[in-house]
Amino acid sequence: KAGVTQTPRYLIKTRGQQVTLSCSPISGHRSVSWYQQTPGQGLQFLFEYFSETQRNKGNFPGRFSGRQFSNSRSEMNVSTLELGDSALYLCASSTGDSTGELFFGEGSRLTVL
Amino acid sequence: QKEVEQNSGPLSVPEGAIASLNCTYSDRGSQSFFWYRQYSGKSPELIMFIYSNGDKEDGRFTAQLNKASQYVSLLIRDSQPSDSATYLCAASSGGYQKVTFGTGTKLQVIP
Repeated sequence: KAGVTQTPRYLIKTRGQQVTLSCSPISGHRSVSWYQQTPGQGLQFLFEYFSETQRNKGNFPGRFSGRQFSNSRSEMNVSTLELGDSALYLCASSTGDSTGELFFGEGSRLTVL
Repeated sequence: QKEVEQNSGPLSVPEGAIASLNCTYSDRGSQSFFWYRQYSGKSPELIMFIYSNGDKEDGRFTAQLNKASQYVSLLIRDSQPSDSATYLCAASSGGYQKVTFGTGTKLQVIP
């Protein structure tokens, strides 16, 4: 059973640019959550999608957005990049039930220069 | 105030000892609790979850939950150097998948 796949694994952008990250969940999983991980703040919840609908959203500015496709694959977009957006972005797959067990991808490490 | 709090450590224990990791949470509506292990440069992986008050054992790992005290702990018996990692405590209020993580406790097992 394939795990959670995130692309790209590493990317470097400059301030003001925008970036799109992709996540393919475990087959059969309908929920995808996105987290930002930084050394100081730990794992911060961005948003969660289930069956193409955003069910929950964290406290991030509107520059951070996402979507989910009918095949459960998800993308997140960050526009007008700032230096502080440099982080590891983790996607987590789950069945979407109430248990909350998450399976993480390897992450996309974004560096903003 | 962070919703899930952990001591950042590092917590150093000798090989073969019991490592005790602790976590408190502020949302009394939290129903599900998780421990994830994250090796340096890797993504978190789920090692234990607990929903009911009391203890839950899985091999060398025991999770403990006390909802009255809003306290979760993870005990690792017979600690091994391979257990050296950051341990993340997480809580969920159920329903939709907002799982809130603590900042993690770094565990070092000394050979």
